Amino acid sequence: EAQVTQNPRYLITVTGKKLTVTCSQNMNHEYMSWYRQDPGLGLRQIYYSMNVEVTDKGDVPEGYKVSRKEKRNFPLILESPSPNQTSLYFCASRYKGQGAYEQYFGPGTRLTVT
Amino acid sequence: RKEVEQDPGPFNVPEGATVAFNCTYSNSASQSFFWYRQDCRKEPKLLMSVYSSGNEDGRFTAQLNRASQYISLLIRDSKLSDSATYLCVVNPNTGGFKTIFGAGTRLFVKA
Repeated sequence: EAQVTQNPRYLITVTGKKLTVTCSQNMNHEYMSWYRQDPGLGLRQIYYSMNVEVTDKGDVPEGYKVSRKEKRNFPLILESPSPNQTSLYFCASRYKGQGAYEQYFGPGTRLTVT
Repeated sequence: RKEVEQDPGPFNVPEGATVAFNCTYSNSASQSFFWYRQDCRKEPKLLMSVYSSGNEDGRFTAQLNRASQYISLLIRDSKLSDSATYLCVVNPNTGGFKTIFGAGTRLFVKA
């Protein structure tokens, strides 16, 4: 089954404790992306990657890191989480073509930073 | 001004009604346009891509007006199951995988 998986699905942590949210896709997609979703603001792009070792900032990259060492995986790293990073996070992937290609989303990770 | 703007609603309509959503975008060079649907606390899923010629899928019709920089979604004969948040999505012509989402329009269809 074609899918994007994220782990963990729920996480409560404390300020400053480094964490990683994993994302993996089995569709051989070149493009992968991380979003955060907050009430009234919609989904905002954090980082995206166009291929292995190729990443770029989205609209809200501050406080986050990413890496793309393998095509299927795109982890999101919070080196020192803060309460304003409490949010619902989605990973997505897409075929790299120039046309109107669908993004496939993971189920989401709900993060609470206290 | 936000790059992609939608009326947040909520829209409350009875079953069988026709409802229309609009979305405006600021980057005139934007290339690709979509409507996604999101159920409460779930991941967004593609509803329709939006083409210049307009496109229809069953009860759903999407239109793109490049001159006025807006896209629309029309839902005919609304069903209870159409209750969701509808997200307008734009890929600006900046290369890469940059994607801009509208904040979403909430729809409630009542029996």
